[in-house]
Amino acid sequence: EAQVTQNPRYLITVTGKKLTVTCSQNMNHEYMSWYRQDPGLGLRQIYYSMNVEVTDKGDVPEGYKVSRKEKRNFPLILESPSPNQTSLYFCASSSRTSGRAIVDNEQFFGPGTRLTVL
Amino acid sequence: RKEVEQDPGPFNVPEGATVAFNCTYSNSASQSFFWYRQDCRKEPKLLMSVYSSGNEDGRFTAQLNRASQYISLLIRDSKLSDSATYLCVVTYTGNQFYFGTGTSLTVIP
Repeated sequence: EAQVTQNPRYLITVTGKKLTVTCSQNMNHEYMSWYRQDPGLGLRQIYYSMNVEVTDKGDVPEGYKVSRKEKRNFPLILESPSPNQTSLYFCASSSRTSGRAIVDNEQFFGPGTRLTVL
Repeated sequence: RKEVEQDPGPFNVPEGATVAFNCTYSNSASQSFFWYRQDCRKEPKLLMSVYSSGNEDGRFTAQLNRASQYISLLIRDSKLSDSATYLCVVTYTGNQFYFGTGTSLTVIP
């Protein structure tokens, strides 16, 4: 089954304790992205990756790191989490199709990770 | 100024009603437009792309007005299963996706 998986689905942690949220897709998609969703602010893009070893900042990258060593995986790293990073996080992937750029195509989202930083 | 703005609602409509949502975007150099649906804080899923000529998918019609920089979604004959949050999405050539905050729809029996 074609899917995007995220782990963990729920996480409660404390300020300053490094954590990683994993994201994996089995659709051979070039493009992967991380979003956070907060009430009243909608989904905001944190980082995105056009392909292996290529990553770029989105609108809200502060406090986050990513890496793209393999095409299927795109982990999100919080080196020193703070309470303002409490949020619902989504990973997504997308692909280029014939005649269409990546941003012209559907994004497939993972189930989300609900993070609470105390 | 937000890239994409939507009326958050909520819209509460009876079954069978027609309801319309609008979404405005700020950057005239926008490339692609979509409507996504999100149920109860689950992951967003693509509802439909929005094309310049307008497009229809069953009970759903999407329209784009580049001159006024807005897109719309019309839902006819609303079903209980249409209850969800509808997200407007706009992209630019910089490979980023911009989401609106969503419009909440509840269809009432």
